[in-house]
Amino acid sequence: ETGVTQTPRHLVMGMTNKKSLKCEQHLGHNAMYWYKQSAKKPLELMFVYNFKEQTENNSVPSRFSPECPNSSHLFLHLHTLQPEDSALYLCASSQGYIQYFGAGTRLSVL
Amino acid sequence: KNEVEQSPQNLTAQEGEFITINCSYSVGISALHWLQQHPGGGIVSLFMLSSGKKKHGRLIATINIQEKHSSLHITASHPRDSAVYICAAVKSSGDKLTFGTGTRLAVRP
Repeated sequence: ETGVTQTPRHLVMGMTNKKSLKCEQHLGHNAMYWYKQSAKKPLELMFVYNFKEQTENNSVPSRFSPECPNSSHLFLHLHTLQPEDSALYLCASSQGYIQYFGAGTRLSVL
Repeated sequence: KNEVEQSPQNLTAQEGEFITINCSYSVGISALHWLQQHPGGGIVSLFMLSSGKKKHGRLIATINIQEKHSSLHITASHPRDSAVYICAAVKSSGDKLTFGTGTRLAVRP
């Protein structure tokens, strides 16, 4: 248990659906991250939030929309996804160099 | 070509064997992480090091800054060590992590 909780663990959605991924940490960390992990590829950084402000958007398509209402919660809103968006989506938080990862949400887009 | 390369990509070992996983990077870094990802996805940070060597239980991580190379060693391997091991570099210019593709380790009883 890393202290970073992601829900749901698994999600199947159609290309016309709208869904949201949730990440929660109560470690007192100020930075939160969304990563995408596709098969046989390195983890890809998607978004970084510091003190609720987005500090990094790694050229992510607009069909992925992050939201950080407070330092403990991070959402990733999904709409009109493509099958190639199927992947494991990982959330992490940090205070300094060490990042603590959630267990991820495995997303399948049909 | 990735800025962080790992080898081997896949590794199968017999229980008790000594295991080495290698990580090479091509950019200037301030630190390097070794992470463990179990089936199901959860990632755990094993080590963060910027020089020399660190040891935790049966795990040893070393880094050679001049050669831009790090190794993760597992002594007396056990089936529960079966996981994907990922190295990630922290660039000097900031705190973003650049990840290797991972090494999938299977330890057979």
